[in-house]
Amino acid sequence: DVKVTQSSRYLVKRTGEKVFLECVQDMDHENMFWYRQDPGLGLRLIYFSYDVKMKEKGDIPEGYSVSREKKERFSLILESASTNQTSMYLCASSFRGAGTEAFFGQGTRLTVV
Amino acid sequence: TQLLEQSPQFLSIQEGENLTVYCNSSSVFSSLQWYRQEPGEGPVLLVTVVTGGEVKKLKRLTFQFGDARKDSSLHITAAQPGDTGLYLCAGIQGAQKLVFGQGTRLTINP
Repeated sequence: DVKVTQSSRYLVKRTGEKVFLECVQDMDHENMFWYRQDPGLGLRLIYFSYDVKMKEKGDIPEGYSVSREKKERFSLILESASTNQTSMYLCASSFRGAGTEAFFGQGTRLTVV
Repeated sequence: TQLLEQSPQFLSIQEGENLTVYCNSSSVFSSLQWYRQEPGEGPVLLVTVVTGGEVKKLKRLTFQFGDARKDSSLHITAAQPGDTGLYLCAGIQGAQKLVFGQGTRLTINP
């Protein structure tokens, strides 16, 4: 069974804290993605990676960075958390190639207070 | 501005009715996908359409890809309460960038 695992389901952090969200996949996928999901806005792409140590900005990268040191792990970093980063964060992975299926984790609901 | 615009954003209908959800863009996509998301879970792929004009059926769900590969539709026949959920269309930009529409929240009332 394919699996994308996010390290936390729920997280509460204080404004200004550095926050790490971890995602691990066991399918040997080349691509990994980080999205945030807010009501009425769907899934917005923050960053994606198509290979180890490779990353590309998505549509809303400001305030975020990522790390992919190993193929199976993709980390999202909030350098200095702010209240407007309160959201549901979803990680996904897929094989390289057009039209391949993306598999999602269950999400991390992050609240910044 | 969303690259993929879905309509309607919310739809509430009675069991047994038919419905259509639309996904439109000004850009051409090599393929479009439809995902369904239930509360507390990540989205799950329903279908991928690749060829302009393509129609795919999944039981009571019919998916169509526009001839120009800029739009897609999802039609549900005789909707059931189990169809309730968030439906998302997605397309790949460039080599690997997977982008989503804002979603259609569908509620089927018994």
